[in-house]
Amino acid sequence: GEEVAQTPKHLVRGEGQKAKLYCAPIKGHSYVFWYQQVLKNEFKFLISFQNENVFDETGMPKERFSAKCLPNSPCSLEIQATKLEDSAVYFCASSQAGQSRRAFFGQGTRLTVV
Amino acid sequence: TQLLEQSPQFLSIQEGENLTVYCNSSSVFSSLQWYRQEPGEGPVLLVTVVTGGEVKKLKRLTFQFGDARKDSSLHITAAQPGDTGLYLCAGSLLNAGNNRKLIWGLGTSLGVNP
Repeated sequence: GEEVAQTPKHLVRGEGQKAKLYCAPIKGHSYVFWYQQVLKNEFKFLISFQNENVFDETGMPKERFSAKCLPNSPCSLEIQATKLEDSAVYFCASSQAGQSRRAFFGQGTRLTVV
Repeated sequence: TQLLEQSPQFLSIQEGENLTVYCNSSSVFSSLQWYRQEPGEGPVLLVTVVTGGEVKKLKRLTFQFGDARKDSSLHITAAQPGDTGLYLCAGSLLNAGNNRKLIWGLGTSLGVNP
């Protein structure tokens, strides 16, 4: 597709429930990034993929967060046993290989943990 | 501690006024990007600057990258209500190698009143 597609747009989960977010990157883009935007607009890097391989996962809370980018499937970000502080907008971005650093962002998934 | 400090955090001006938003760091960046984000949307890239001292213009917007590549500014001339939004700076650290993750400022929320 011509744009990064994120689903769902909104997700409400009770504390302790699982949340799964999806991202379809732009066709031909080999890099996928997940960012978390919390209150006060802070963007926090979570993880990046180069094709289906994890490229950088230094931002991922290891215990409850996991992510995958499998061939021919949307990428996913899964949060096990959600906590109140996981409430945020989760953005996915994709970019092409090579020297270009332009990342295109999806519209985000707003996760609310109640 | 924020690697990229943006100021001001909020700005409310009248249509026709000029304004400047600043993005400062003690770290050196190989490139720096400015994004605009509207409510409920993902950030949209406005410009990328890569060379120290570089100046780029986008209609009424002028972007400057500091000589030492540690800071940047965004100047808007004759602001219009359509310029209202959140302006974010984000950069790639110089010593990050091929790591493409972005370090983000907290943004400047701009409101332009008619």
